[in-house]
Amino acid sequence: KAGVTQTPRYLIKTRGQQVTLSCSPISGHRSVSWYQQTPGQGLQFLFEYFSETQRNKGNFPGRFSGRQFSNSRSEMNVSTLELGDSALYLCASSLEQGLSGNTIYFGEGSWLTVV
Amino acid sequence: AQSVTQLDSHVSVSEGTPVLLRCNYSSSYSPSLFWYVQHPNKGLQLLLKYTSAATLVKGINGFEAEFKKSETSFHLTKPSAHMSDAAEYFCVVRGRSSASKIIFGSGTRLSIRP
Repeated sequence: KAGVTQTPRYLIKTRGQQVTLSCSPISGHRSVSWYQQTPGQGLQFLFEYFSETQRNKGNFPGRFSGRQFSNSRSEMNVSTLELGDSALYLCASSLEQGLSGNTIYFGEGSWLTVV
Repeated sequence: AQSVTQLDSHVSVSEGTPVLLRCNYSSSYSPSLFWYVQHPNKGLQLLLKYTSAATLVKGINGFEAEFKKSETSFHLTKPSAHMSDAAEYFCVVRGRSSASKIIFGSGTRLSIRP
């Protein structure tokens, strides 16, 4: 069974540009969540999607958005990139949302560098 | 509201000696608790999870953790450290409701001395 797949793995963008990251969850998983990891802030929750609906959202500005498709694949978009958006963006999937014992499986992440 | 605190940012042990990584949590309801490991430039791998079954949870690679409600702790242990255990470890808490968020601890970097 394939794991969580994130693309692209590495990318460099310029300040002011926008970026779209993609995540394919484990087959059968319907919940997808996104996280930002930086040396200074650690791992921070961005948002979670379930059945194409955003169910939870972290404390990030509106420049960060996401969506989920009917096949559970998800994308996140960051507009008007800032230097501080440079980070490892991790996607995770789970079978259902919020249920007891629901294990979250992570992808390898997308490394974004903003110059 | 939920929170999780990893009490040590860095732990260093000699190979072959026991490992203890400490985690305290706060949750209004009985939470699910997880330990994840992250090796350099990699994603997070699940080590073990607690979901209100047995309080002593065994995970992969010889790791285990004990849920202690009275102490609100979920410390990770391993009897004998191996060089390959060197990594960052994250304690994670999640509530039982569909609205609960996933909260990460700040991480503990484990170093292994030869």
